[in-house]
Amino acid sequence: NAGVTQTPKFRVLKTGQSMTLLCAQDMNHEYMYWYRQDPGMGLRLIHYSVGEGTTAKGEVPDGYNVSRLKKQNFLLGLESAAPSQTSVYFCASSPHYEQYFGPGTRLTVT
Amino acid sequence: AQSVSQHNHHVILSEAASLELGCNYSYGGTVNLFWYVQYPGQHLQLLLKYFSGDPLVKGIKGFEAEFIKSKFSFNLRKPSVQWSDTAEYFCALGAGNMLTFGGGTRLMVKP
Repeated sequence: NAGVTQTPKFRVLKTGQSMTLLCAQDMNHEYMYWYRQDPGMGLRLIHYSVGEGTTAKGEVPDGYNVSRLKKQNFLLGLESAAPSQTSVYFCASSPHYEQYFGPGTRLTVT
Repeated sequence: AQSVSQHNHHVILSEAASLELGCNYSYGGTVNLFWYVQYPGQHLQLLLKYFSGDPLVKGIKGFEAEFIKSKFSFNLRKPSVQWSDTAEYFCALGAGNMLTFGGGTRLMVKP
């Protein structure tokens, strides 16, 4: 099993550009999450999904959109990137509370 | 709303020293508590978890944590740290299918 994978691993965007981050899991988990990690702030939840076709806002949803068209995939989109979105993004999946994390995507917005 | 506080932001220890990292939470319901570790350049990995039962839980790599309900605490301990324990440690509270993380504690172990 690959667990949780994220694509891409690194990306540099210019302000105003758009991009989509892909998260995939092969553990048949119902719940999936997108976090951002910034120094000294721990992980903050952006959006999450409790099942295929469902999404919900987390703590810091502004500027991001998500979709969960298939159970195994959870996409995070940035429609118009801003420098404040420079961060490391982690995806996680969970059968209930215990979450399994992907390797992260380091995004820089210039 | 729930919250998690980790008061030690940076800890520096010598090898073989004992470790205790503080974690306090605020939540009015039944708690599920976790400690995750993030080694440099890697993703978060679960160290240990508490759902119910024995308040002293043991995890991987010799770590343990004690849930003290009266103090709203879930402190992480290790009797003797190694250089390889250098990492960032996150306490997390599970409620409503979501995890709330503390701000993290960076541990540096000097050889």
